[in-house]
Amino acid sequence: NAGVTQTPKFQVLKTGQSMTLQCAQDMNHEYMSWYRQDPGMGLRLIHYSVGAGITDQGEVPNGYNVSRSTTEDFPLRLLSAAPSQTSVYFCASSPGFENIQYFGAGTRLSVL
Amino acid sequence: RKEVEQDPGPFNVPEGATVAFNCTYSNSASQSFFWYRQDCRKEPKLLMSVYSSGNEDGRFTAQLNRASQYISLLIRDSKLSDSATYLCVTYQAGTALIFGKGTTLSVSS
Repeated sequence: NAGVTQTPKFQVLKTGQSMTLQCAQDMNHEYMSWYRQDPGMGLRLIHYSVGAGITDQGEVPNGYNVSRSTTEDFPLRLLSAAPSQTSVYFCASSPGFENIQYFGAGTRLSVL
Repeated sequence: RKEVEQDPGPFNVPEGATVAFNCTYSNSASQSFFWYRQDCRKEPKLLMSVYSSGNEDGRFTAQLNRASQYISLLIRDSKLSDSATYLCVTYQAGTALIFGKGTTLSVSS
């Protein structure tokens, strides 16, 4: 099983550019989330979804948009990239809030 | 205000040593607790859930103290392959998981 698949693995953007980080899971999980991980900051929740059509903001949502049109996919959009968004981004899925989170391999993003 | 606090380390121990990590959480409404392991430049993976009565998985033992609001992880007979960052995680009803910043363990031969 593929589990949680994130693409791309690496990306370099210029300030002001937009892009979409892709996340797909094949475990039929209702709950999906996006985190960013910065040195010394730990994992911080950006946005999450409890099912298709339902999304909500996490701790650090500014500058990011999400949508959940299907159970499988949960893309993260950077509207106008800023150097402060340089980070490692992880997508995760789970059967529910309180259950085991399964993480994708991450996307390493640099904004110049 | 940080809801989950961990000693960042690093903890440097020789093979075969016993090492313990503690984690404190600020919200008494937290109801589920986990330890995740993260290898360098990899994604976090669940190591074990933490149950009220304490639980053991091979060389790993997790304990929960609700009165003092802390969680511990004990690793016995450390292996080189145990070198990683260990993340303490809590869940509060109606919210998402809260991750600590992690404790780094380095096991040397």
